[in-house]
Amino acid sequence: DTGVSQNPRHKITKRGQNVTFRCDPISEHNRLYWYRQTLGQGPEFLTYFQNEAQLEKSRLLSDRFSAERPKGSFSTLEIQRTEQGDSAMYLCASSLAWLAGVEETQYFGPGTRLLVL
Amino acid sequence: QKEVEQNSGPLSVPEGAIASLNCTYSDRVSQSFFWYRQYSGKSPELIMSIYSNGDKEDGRFTAQLNKASQYVSLLIRDSQPSDSATYLCAVNSNGGFKTIFGAGTRLFVKA
Repeated sequence: DTGVSQNPRHKITKRGQNVTFRCDPISEHNRLYWYRQTLGQGPEFLTYFQNEAQLEKSRLLSDRFSAERPKGSFSTLEIQRTEQGDSAMYLCASSLAWLAGVEETQYFGPGTRLLVL
Repeated sequence: QKEVEQNSGPLSVPEGAIASLNCTYSDRVSQSFFWYRQYSGKSPELIMSIYSNGDKEDGRFTAQLNKASQYVSLLIRDSQPSDSATYLCAVNSNGGFKTIFGAGTRLFVKA
């Protein structure tokens, strides 16, 4: 399978616990995105990496959220001190784009569904 | 005003009919436009991308873009029950990293 993969697929945790999700992008893709999606809404942008550099972070992302992409390959998204409002589907997407203005298509992984009790 | 607006639906069409899905966006410098299909509990999958004014056809799907009116649409011909899903419109500024999604339109195709 050469698509975007995410682990775990489901996570149930208690409020206050820390959780970490992993995303493995399509191997040659240099851009990696994290989104959050709640029921009845479209995906909301959280953060973006160009290779290993995190270039933008949404205002939606509180200080409890941190993402890394060491070596420009896989990425992790950590949520500290989880709250019930963090319950959502966390989606990862990757793309290949080198120049501004170049047409870019993002390919999504299956997502990690988080439930905070 | 939301950055990307879609009618939430549900839009119900009989099998074999044409389904028409609409989307408007607020950022005039937007250059890239996408339609994704999302089945319940699954992640979005790309159906069409369009970058220039006019129509773009791919099989049963046609995307239409009018940048002057800040409007993009998706037509699904010969709709099938398997087309029943939520259709997400997504917009990206020229070279920008941030893709803004609409809330999606739910489509039901009745057999």
